[in-house]
Amino acid sequence: GESVGLHLPTLSVQEGDNSIINCAYSNSASDYFIWYKQESGKGPQFIIDIRSNMDKRQGQRVTVLLNKTVKHLSLQIAATQPGDSAVYFCAEGNFGNEKLTFGTGTRLTIIP
Amino acid sequence: ETGVTQTPRHLVMGMTNKKSLKCEQHLGHNAMYWYKQSAKKPLELMFVYSLEERVENNSVPSRFSPECPNSSHLFLHLHTLQPEDSALYLCASSPSIGRSTEAFFGQGTRLTVV
Repeated sequence: GESVGLHLPTLSVQEGDNSIINCAYSNSASDYFIWYKQESGKGPQFIIDIRSNMDKRQGQRVTVLLNKTVKHLSLQIAATQPGDSAVYFCAEGNFGNEKLTFGTGTRLTIIP
Repeated sequence: ETGVTQTPRHLVMGMTNKKSLKCEQHLGHNAMYWYKQSAKKPLELMFVYSLEERVENNSVPSRFSPECPNSSHLFLHLHTLQPEDSALYLCASSPSIGRSTEAFFGQGTRLTVV
């Protein structure tokens, strides 16, 4: 079956630095990709999504890059803050299908 | 708070017990979802409801029984569970079917089966 995976399970970044979290996917037919943030004791929170016909999308302090050639997705967080500490995971989906395929997540720790 | 409330937050139950998880959303959404999040495993979709009708059941064992009495409430009835069913159970809602990218998640119920 198709799977979505993450390169690193943990990542520590100095406060104020930029962080990059990576995700590899295997379903080249996915229509869109989503990044979620999950803080301890909370449910996942939508951060940003990107459609498969785009290469880049920017939000507030976050940028998602999609490289369809190598089936790679990344989330860049600029000027990290302590509140950015959480588990981040990606998901992929298709229009008309409720089932998203999720990655296992990367734990990002911001060092004060 | 995301507008999706789950109770209880924590639940410990024996394998012979019957319990229910509750989810309530105050967002006016028409679609509701149950997900299972096990340790070190990806999030798994269990059930999808649209306007109180079940539209998806992802091969979930019958010991998990969902109920959606109205578009604001969703239950997950549990009976004769196994230790491997221990996980975080997350409820989510979205404006409608097909808009799962706009889903809001509850904080989850941490279930431990002993």
